[in-house]
Amino acid sequence: DAGVIQSPRHEVTEMGQEVTLRCKPISGHNSLFWYRQTMMRGLELLIYFNNNVPIDDSGMPEDRFSAKMPNASFSTLKIQPSEPRDSAVYFCASRRGNLNEKLFFGSGTQLSVL
Amino acid sequence: AQTVTQSQPEMSVQEAETVTLSCTYDTSESDYYLFWYKQPPSRQMILVIRQEAYKQQNATENRFSVNFQKAAKSFSLKISDSQLGDAAMYFCAYRRATLLRGANSKLTFGKGITLSVRP
Repeated sequence: DAGVIQSPRHEVTEMGQEVTLRCKPISGHNSLFWYRQTMMRGLELLIYFNNNVPIDDSGMPEDRFSAKMPNASFSTLKIQPSEPRDSAVYFCASRRGNLNEKLFFGSGTQLSVL
Repeated sequence: AQTVTQSQPEMSVQEAETVTLSCTYDTSESDYYLFWYKQPPSRQMILVIRQEAYKQQNATENRFSVNFQKAAKSFSLKISDSQLGDAAMYFCAYRRATLLRGANSKLTFGKGITLSVRP
């Protein structure tokens, strides 16, 4: 299994531009999580999906952030317009079922907004 | 709301020695899971060990073991015979136990501790 796949690995953009981060969860996993990691705040959960349905988006910082999961094998996190304070590593993670606690993480996307 | 606190930002250990990383948490739940994750420079988050709150026995995985003190809400990680490859950030995490079918719950992370290993 290839694991959780995130793209791009690095993204550098200018303030005001739209950014789209992509994630392919492990096949068969029905829960998907988006986390953001910064030095100041550590790892924060932005949103998670169960069976493609958003369950908890209380961590999404503001309306500039949106996430979708159109099917079981793909999710996107979009920032529009991006700001320098959005610079962080964004992780996607997936998990199978309700009672399997092991969460598998992707390698993250390093986002730099100039 | 649940919180996870890792008060030490950095620690250092001599190769082959033992080091203990501290973690405390706050919750009103009685059933939950606790985890330690390792994040090496590659950024990959790797599960090191997990503990179910209803189990009194401390979890052990090879050189990694935990000291779980439920009453004190403390969950420390002990790394024995430290190796250079253990150098990484370590995150403590909490998750409520899921009891309802169809529901999921999130992992709440501490801010992490950077462990360096001296050769």
